[in-house]
Amino acid sequence: DIQMTQSPSSLSASVGDRVTITCRASHIVRTYLNWYQQKPGKAPKLLIYAASSLPSGVPSRFSGSGSGPDFTLTISSLQPEDFATYYCQQTYEIPRTFGQGTRVEIK
Amino acid sequence: QVQLQQWGAGLLKPSETLSLTCTVYGGSFSDYYWTWIRQSPGKGLEWIGEINHSGSTEYNPSLKSRVTISVDTSKNEFSLKLRSVTAADTAVYYCARGRQSGLGYWGQGTLVTVSS
Repeated sequence: DIQMTQSPSSLSASVGDRVTITCRASHIVRTYLNWYQQKPGKAPKLLIYAASSLPSGVPSRFSGSGSGPDFTLTISSLQPEDFATYYCQQTYEIPRTFGQGTRVEIK
Repeated sequence: QVQLQQWGAGLLKPSETLSLTCTVYGGSFSDYYWTWIRQSPGKGLEWIGEINHSGSTEYNPSLKSRVTISVDTSKNEFSLKLRSVTAADTAVYYCARGRQSGLGYWGQGTLVTVSS
């Protein structure tokens, strides 16, 4: 299986901060890399697909970059509603594995 | 507007079969792949498998011997069966739409508890 390793596992930040989360793939995944946001008790929400594409309706403060093995999710100016857990997922190979998550907390 | 509504038994005994169904409202059922994901309490996300409208499937090798995903295009539904469950299968199970370009729509989640 392709291992997806996120860093950091958690971070504390303030509203307005620029936040960067990294995801490293253990094998080649090309740009088959997606990012999700999950809030407690809710299903994950797709934030970024194909490493850098934004689905319709996702705020432009979210951006993704990278082409392997390292990928980055950036929140340009953290908003109160962005405090959540973020997951990366590779969809290059079966099984389509997720990172362990990065929890973004209020400082 | 696309909605996924999932349902099934939430409490099972060890060795029983988990059975969940996801009904899709809106959108074109035949244009997409359909996926099952689970999340153990306090833990991360695990991909279970996926299916398309013609019944072509892919499964997580770690679960493949116990899992069947099926589709009923006449009802815009797809289903998950997981046989011989144990406590390790206790999790919130989600259905979702999509495959390689991400899972853009999700069901509400079903907590399945395995306990004797």
